[in-house]
Amino acid sequence: GAVVSQHPSRVICKSGTSVKIECRSLDFQATTMFWYRQFPKQSLMLMATSNEGSKATYEQGVEKDKFLINHASLTLSTLTVTSAHPEDSSFYICSARDGRFYNEQFFGPGTRLTVL
Amino acid sequence: QQQVKQSPQSLIVQKGGISIINCAYENTAFDYFPWYQQFPGKGPALLIAIRPDVSEKKEGRFTISFNKSAKQFSLHIMDSQPGDSATYFCAASKWTGNQFYFGTGTSLTVIP
Repeated sequence: GAVVSQHPSRVICKSGTSVKIECRSLDFQATTMFWYRQFPKQSLMLMATSNEGSKATYEQGVEKDKFLINHASLTLSTLTVTSAHPEDSSFYICSARDGRFYNEQFFGPGTRLTVL
Repeated sequence: QQQVKQSPQSLIVQKGGISIINCAYENTAFDYFPWYQQFPGKGPALLIAIRPDVSEKKEGRFTISFNKSAKQFSLHIMDSQPGDSATYFCAASKWTGNQFYFGTGTSLTVIP
């Protein structure tokens, strides 16, 4: 149990376009989902925390108008990178909290975004 | 300020040896300490976790040792195998909190 999926796994886009990444909890309801960004050989940086049905809470330094997060249901959260630029190229990972396991977070497989 | 410090940055171990990764934390309010394993191009996977009511937790070849007074915890991988080659992250959080504070990661290579 506690499986989290992400789609797409890899995306290449042109500068100026918007990209949507989906994060789904497949076998549990996730009241809270998290979005992280990871640069090569570096740790995970929390971008935002999203709770179902409410606005996401962004970490300091993360542009909320650039990284739009929607947590419309207990099994789906989306991250939209608007007007992407090459510096947005990164590995984006979501995680979800399963209320049955209280504080444990289960991570998705990640999405590799490359902006040309 | 780095809430969780992890060392070493990289580690090379012979097959069958013991891999040891250490983490230290600052905030005494932290009471949940998970370890994650990450393979290249994949998301982190929960390996093992501990809460401060015990000093050690073992699951198969993986053991967490926890020292509350020193604010340190470590991951021991016994009988290390080439398939264990991955990046390992420690983390700390409040059990009732949202945010995980991750260490900087340790790249483990187990050579045959």
